[in-house]
Amino acid sequence: GDSVTQMEGPVTLSEEAFLTINCTYTATGYPSLFWYVQYPGEGLQLLLKATKADDKGSNKGFEATYRKETTSFHLEKGSVQVSDSAVYFCALSDLGDTGGFKTIFGAGTRLFVKA
Amino acid sequence: DTGVSQDPRHKITKRGQNVTFRCDPISEHNRLYWYRQTLGQGPEFLTYFQNEAQLEKSRLLSDRFSAERPKGSFSTLEIQRTEQGDSAMYLCASSRSGGVYEQYFGPGTRLTVT
Repeated sequence: GDSVTQMEGPVTLSEEAFLTINCTYTATGYPSLFWYVQYPGEGLQLLLKATKADDKGSNKGFEATYRKETTSFHLEKGSVQVSDSAVYFCALSDLGDTGGFKTIFGAGTRLFVKA
Repeated sequence: DTGVSQDPRHKITKRGQNVTFRCDPISEHNRLYWYRQTLGQGPEFLTYFQNEAQLEKSRLLSDRFSAERPKGSFSTLEIQRTEQGDSAMYLCASSRSGGVYEQYFGPGTRLTVT
């Protein structure tokens, strides 16, 4: 079945450091890919998405490129801020067994950014 | 847009009891999703509705779990004969249909089975 694997955390960085959070997936179909973020005390919210190969999703300085050849969707940011401290979830959305959509999430990667 | 709401926010129940949770999606959204999330894990897909039709259900969902969306608006998730392993955060999300749209998540219902 479909699955999402992302790097384990926590990831601890100093402010203005470069961030990469790795995400790879397996899927039987041709999924859409997402990064969701959960800030402390808040609900999940979409950070960015990509719907086809070589698409680049971007938002708030974060970027991720849909790489079909390596089945990856790594999240990057050139200069993190303390306010980026959160849990980041990689996810895919694909057609399920009965024709409806299902969304599969990775386990999440907690990011701590130190001032 | 008032967001996705869930009720109750917290539920403590004894093993063997039945519980029911409610989700009110964003009004113009006709897709609705239920997830379960345990500590340190990502949301686990449970089921998905397009309007009132339940189009997808996880194989992990036992027969003790049932979900409804009778008029294509709010949805309920019922767990019968709760077990301690059912303790988790139950999340609801909604989205528009017709393409790949982001899901808007509710605050969740935290279930504790004692």
